[in-house]
Amino acid sequence: DAKTTQPNSMESNEEEPVHLPCNHSTISGTDYIHWYRQLPSQGPEYVIHGLTSNVNNRMASLAIAEDRKSSTLILHRATLRDAAVYYCILNGNNNDMRFGAGTRLTVKP
Amino acid sequence: GAGVSQSPSNKVTEKGKDVELRCDPISGHTALYWYRQSLGQGLEFLIYFQGNSAPDKSGLPSDRFSAERTGGSVSTLTIQRTQQEDSAVYLCASSLGRLAGGNEQFFGPGTRLTVL
Repeated sequence: DAKTTQPNSMESNEEEPVHLPCNHSTISGTDYIHWYRQLPSQGPEYVIHGLTSNVNNRMASLAIAEDRKSSTLILHRATLRDAAVYYCILNGNNNDMRFGAGTRLTVKP
Repeated sequence: GAGVSQSPSNKVTEKGKDVELRCDPISGHTALYWYRQSLGQGLEFLIYFQGNSAPDKSGLPSDRFSAERTGGSVSTLTIQRTQQEDSAVYLCASSLGRLAGGNEQFFGPGTRLTVL
């Protein structure tokens, strides 16, 4: 499976945008890029996913590099509730998600 | 509609005892997954079901672990002769179809297992 690399932790101020990076230089043509997040004491929840084009939904935006070797999850206005561990995962032909360590996002009031 | 539910929410057991963890997926979801998460760690994939069959059991850590799914719905994860290293949060997820192609997973709240 292609692997992803994320920073261990990031900090943001409340109501400011947050850009969470993910490197996936060995991505294959059929791999989707998924983002999940895990709030404290909860199971992970889906955030967004994409293949080639940038994606927007009510939670976030996903910017995918033209060569697909990296992507960025964008939270447009961070709130305290957005403090969580964010996981970037590639999935092509497998039937499970191989979660790494993710990025722990701290949001400061 | 209802999300993925798991029971019990917490389970404390003594070393050597057997435990059963239950997962009720979202109605209509054909795929079901089990993961475990040790304290402060990421998720570890255990097993995947498509319908009632488990094409991928590669993540089960030992032969003390088994899982079944009946009627294409409820799944039970059984751990025999529990050990202290089995202590973790066991998470279940379901998806409408296969993950390949972009289907998302919906996770339950997890069962926190503590083996004394």
